Amino acid sequence: QVHLVQSGAEVKKPGSSVKVSCKASGGSFNSYAISWVRHVPGQGLQWMGGIIPIFETANYEEKFQGRVTITADESASTAYMELSDLRSEDTAVYYCATSSGYDWKMDYWGQGTLVTVSS
Amino acid sequence: DIQMTQSPSALSASVGDRVTISCRASESIETWLAWYQQKPGIAPKLLIQKASSLESGVPSRFSGSGSGTEFTLTINNLQPDDFATYYCQQYSRHSYSFGQGTKVEIK
Repeated sequence: QVHLVQSGAEVKKPGSSVKVSCKASGGSFNSYAISWVRHVPGQGLQWMGGIIPIFETANYEEKFQGRVTITADESASTAYMELSDLRSEDTAVYYCATSSGYDWKMDYWGQGTLVTVSS
Repeated sequence: DIQMTQSPSALSASVGDRVTISCRASESIETWLAWYQQKPGIAPKLLIQKASSLESGVPSRFSGSGSGTEFTLTINNLQPDDFATYYCQQYSRHSYSFGQGTKVEIK
C-alpha cells in the first residue's frame, strides 16, 4: 500500500512559479509511474505529465510543454512538479498519483495541493 | 493524442436505480481504460482498471465493460454513497487523458 503526501497550499502571483512535492512511502517508488493531475474548479481532471523515477525522463501533456517540469529524487522517494509563468487559470488542485504496476493508471493518490494564482 | 469523450456530462438518478455512463476513445485503446470516482474536496479513487477489472474493496454493484473505442461503467442499485463525479482515463499511450467527467446527482 503506497501512501503519498503532498506539500501544502500555495498562493502565487501571476508570472511566478510554484513547486509541489509528493513524498511516497510503503511501496516501490522507483519503478512505477508517477503522474501529476490537476483539477481546475468546475472542470474535469487533466493529466499534466509524469515520470518513472528509474528512467529519470519525464513526459508532458503538450498543453503544458515548456511550463512544467517533473522530477524525482529516488533517495528521498519524492517527486516534484514545478509550473512556471503562472496565470490565473492555473488556479487548481494539483494531485500526484502512482500506479501499482508498470502502466499509467493511478491506483494511489496524494491528498492534493491547492495552488491559487492571484495578484 | 487520444481524446476521451464521456456521456452524459451529468445525470439525475434515485437510490436503487441503474446508471450507465459511456466513454468513447478517439482511437483504439484495447482495454487500457480506468474508471475513477471523485467526491468534492477528495482525491479521485480508482474503481475499475483494464476496462472491467474491479478494484479490491469496490462494491460489486459497479461494473465496467468494453474494448477498443467504446466503454461503459454501470452502477446497479445506486446507493447514497455513489453520488459523485465519474471519470474514465485511457492509459494506452501518452498522453494519458481523462474524459470530461459525469456528475451523478440525486433526483
